[in-house]
Amino acid sequence: AQSVTQLDSHVSVSEGTPVLLRCNYSSSYSPSLFWYVQHPNKGLQLLLKYTSAATLVKGINGFEAEFKKSETSFHLTKPSAHMSDAAEYFCVVRRMDSSYKLIFGSGTRLLVRP
Amino acid sequence: KAGVTQTPRYLIKTRGQQVTLSCSPISGHRSVSWYQQTPGQGLQFLFEYFSETQRNKGNFPGRFSGRQFSNSRSEMNVSTLELGDSALYLCASRDITYNEQFFGPGTRLTVL
Repeated sequence: AQSVTQLDSHVSVSEGTPVLLRCNYSSSYSPSLFWYVQHPNKGLQLLLKYTSAATLVKGINGFEAEFKKSETSFHLTKPSAHMSDAAEYFCVVRRMDSSYKLIFGSGTRLLVRP
Repeated sequence: KAGVTQTPRYLIKTRGQQVTLSCSPISGHRSVSWYQQTPGQGLQFLFEYFSETQRNKGNFPGRFSGRQFSNSRSEMNVSTLELGDSALYLCASRDITYNEQFFGPGTRLTVL
């Protein structure tokens, strides 16, 4: 069965400093992994996805994630945080069967201090 | 292209009532999924529809049901509402040739 674990429920950084949001996955197969962001009172926006083409995945707004099979990790990073990055971030794995079902982590709330 | 739209955006109901939520997918997307988001349980998969057929269902009671129309629009229905059904209900659509879902803004349901 597929699952994801987000290791931090809250992360606080200063504006202009790097962001690291941690995610570990569990999957019997080569997984499809995603990061979504949710701003307050908004829906979910796809930041990036990993589907085995390349281990370093670049997404929108300067975010990227690296798939590390040996560590079963898919951490999200950004070199320099912006105030507008404050939101909740979800690491997601797709269940690999005939339907399309996403399994969400518990979320990490990112706070950006001025 | 317009994004996924959901109506209504906010709903207030009382226990025992039923409610119907609507979702219009991105034009050309034939797969529609529903998710429930609550502070306690997080984001949970409800069901997926493709070409008017339910392809998968999450671990929710039978009070939660859905359907999809020939134009790919989808509705979900919750009968005999309980306080615990208060949540943000998110709809997502997908072009089946691509491995990503696009989410709507959600319908926030409050059950009093």
